[in-house]
Amino acid sequence: AQKVTQAQTEISVVEKEDVTLDCVYETRDTTYYLFWYKQPPSGELVFLIRRNSFDEQNEISGRYSWNFQKSTSSFNFTITASQVVDSAVYFCALSEAWNTDKLIFGTGTRLQVFP
Amino acid sequence: GAVVSQHPSWVICKSGTSVKIECRSLDFQATTMFWYRQFPKQSLMLMATSNEGSKATYEQGVEKDKFLINHASLTLSTLTVTSAHPEDSSFYICSARVSRSEQFFGPGTRLTVL
Repeated sequence: AQKVTQAQTEISVVEKEDVTLDCVYETRDTTYYLFWYKQPPSGELVFLIRRNSFDEQNEISGRYSWNFQKSTSSFNFTITASQVVDSAVYFCALSEAWNTDKLIFGTGTRLQVFP
Repeated sequence: GAVVSQHPSWVICKSGTSVKIECRSLDFQATTMFWYRQFPKQSLMLMATSNEGSKATYEQGVEKDKFLINHASLTLSTLTVTSAHPEDSSFYICSARVSRSEQFFGPGTRLTVL
């Protein structure tokens, strides 16, 4: 069965701190996609990244970086030098190759960045 | 990126009435759209997959007679919550498939049933 676990329900940091959001997934498929989305207080889901299961290269985009480790079924997200605008709920999600339409979301991690 | 809009952004209605929510793909054609539901401080749950010109496919546990989905054109899908009750109060989000494994999400509609 497919499942996405985000064990951290809420994280609070002070501006400029680095923070890592954890994501652990379960799937029997060998081909799958992993995603991170940001949901600010306005509610709109903002796409951050998509990764396919064959690409284990870590990715960096500005202050954001992602660490994909197939061996531990994890796809962690790090924000470097956090800012108040990073405050949001962050969702990790999984879709499998046989049904790429179905996104399975984790329960989300609420990040609060204080000035 | 692709833009998906939803209307209305929020709606308050009385118990027993029906509410229609529109989801539009603004700059692309979407043969497939999706409807999600999100309760406060919870995750998104897929309700149904809407295919243009055919019946929607509902996820297990979602009442198709309660949540009517119509996808009459390549840019518009509608979700009608029929005979709404307070327990239907939620945040409803649509998305449109842009390509295999890629969806863009609308801004969501907050429904409050009194």
